[in-house]
Amino acid sequence: NAGVMQNPRHLVRRRGQEARLRCSPMKGHSHVYWYRQLPEEGLKFMVYLQKENIIDESGMPKERFSAEFPKEGPSILRIQQVVRGDSAAYFCASSPPYTGELFFGEGSRLTVL
Amino acid sequence: SQQGEEDPQALSIQEGENATMNCSYKTSINNLQWYRQNSGRGLVHLILIRSNEREKHSGRLRVTLDTSKKSSSLLITASRAADTASYFCATVLPFSGGYNKLIFGAGTRLAVHP
Repeated sequence: NAGVMQNPRHLVRRRGQEARLRCSPMKGHSHVYWYRQLPEEGLKFMVYLQKENIIDESGMPKERFSAEFPKEGPSILRIQQVVRGDSAAYFCASSPPYTGELFFGEGSRLTVL
Repeated sequence: SQQGEEDPQALSIQEGENATMNCSYKTSINNLQWYRQNSGRGLVHLILIRSNEREKHSGRLRVTLDTSKKSSSLLITASRAADTASYFCATVLPFSGGYNKLIFGAGTRLAVHP
């Protein structure tokens, strides 16, 4: 049973480009969370999605960031017109319904030059 | 501001010693969880303790929760070099809509020396 799969693991973008990060949850999990981690810091909640629905996007920056979890395919975190401050590790996690723990992927590390 | 804050920020011990990490939080919680993160890797869930529980064990791990003090501790007994990692506490607030919106602290970096 594969865990949460994230790709790419590492992504380098120049300022102004777009970054797309993908996440496939564990089999049987229909809930996806995205978190961002800056160096030497804890994870900050960004968004919580179920299939085809954004449930809680209270942690998403108001501009340039968007997320989706389509009926088919992985969840996508999209960052438009990246800036140096977007450089971070972005983690996806999934969970089955009605349980407490989250299962995390290995993260996608974005570097903006 | 962060909900959870770990103490100490960094801890260095010898193999075989016990490691204790503390977590304080600010508001009422539904549950509190501890996660481990090896350098450059994702987080691994260790233990979940609910607000009506006071202590839980899992192998060499012992977690306590004191809701009156809004604090939790993680004890790792008989530490090994492989325990070297960052440890994070994370809380789930009541009335979170029934989903696991975790609020993380900044973590404790544990180094266990052979």
